Amino acid sequence: KAGVTQTPRYLIKTRGQQVTLSCSPISGHRSVSWYQQTPGQGLQFLFEYFSETQRNKGNFPGRFSGRQFSNSRSEMNVSTLELGDSALYLCASSFRRESGTDTQYFGPGTRLTVL
Amino acid sequence: SQQGEEDPQALSIQEGENATMNCSYKTSINNLQWYRQNSGRGLVHLILIRSNEREKHSGRLRVTLDTSKKSSSLLITASRAADTASYFCATDRSGNTGKLIFGQGTTLQVKP
Repeated sequence: KAGVTQTPRYLIKTRGQQVTLSCSPISGHRSVSWYQQTPGQGLQFLFEYFSETQRNKGNFPGRFSGRQFSNSRSEMNVSTLELGDSALYLCASSFRRESGTDTQYFGPGTRLTVL
Repeated sequence: SQQGEEDPQALSIQEGENATMNCSYKTSINNLQWYRQNSGRGLVHLILIRSNEREKHSGRLRVTLDTSKKSSSLLITASRAADTASYFCATDRSGNTGKLIFGQGTTLQVKP
């Protein structure tokens, strides 16, 4: 099976712009979670989508949004970029069994630099 | 906020030695997972241990979980230079969906 893919891998934007990142989960996986990784804050959960619905959300401002399509692919959008949004953005997919015991498989990440 | 705290923050050992990393967390969990990350790349899943399990093995990896102490440890035996990476524990709290809470990680350097 192909792993989780993320595009683009690298992105440079300027303050005030917006950006859209894409994530394709492992075939058959229905859940996609997004995380932000920075040197200062570490790995922080952004949100999770399952069956095109956002089911869980982290503590991030409304500038961070996402969506999931019927084929489970997901996008996240950051509007009005700030310097502090520079980070590695990781998505992870899982089958999301109802038991809640599920392994998340991560993509290679998108490195966003905001100038 | 980070639920997990990992200890030590950095560890340097010689090839062939064992490496032990510890993780503590604050609330009840459904399961705990360990991941490896090489040089700011994606996370590689190593092992998942459920809250009703106490120990799990996978190749050279041994993970223990003590829910009474809210702590876990990852032991890598007979380490290799290729094990050089950052290691993170991540907890899945009961009732949460798709949300992992990560520790700050342990940076392991294995010298050849």
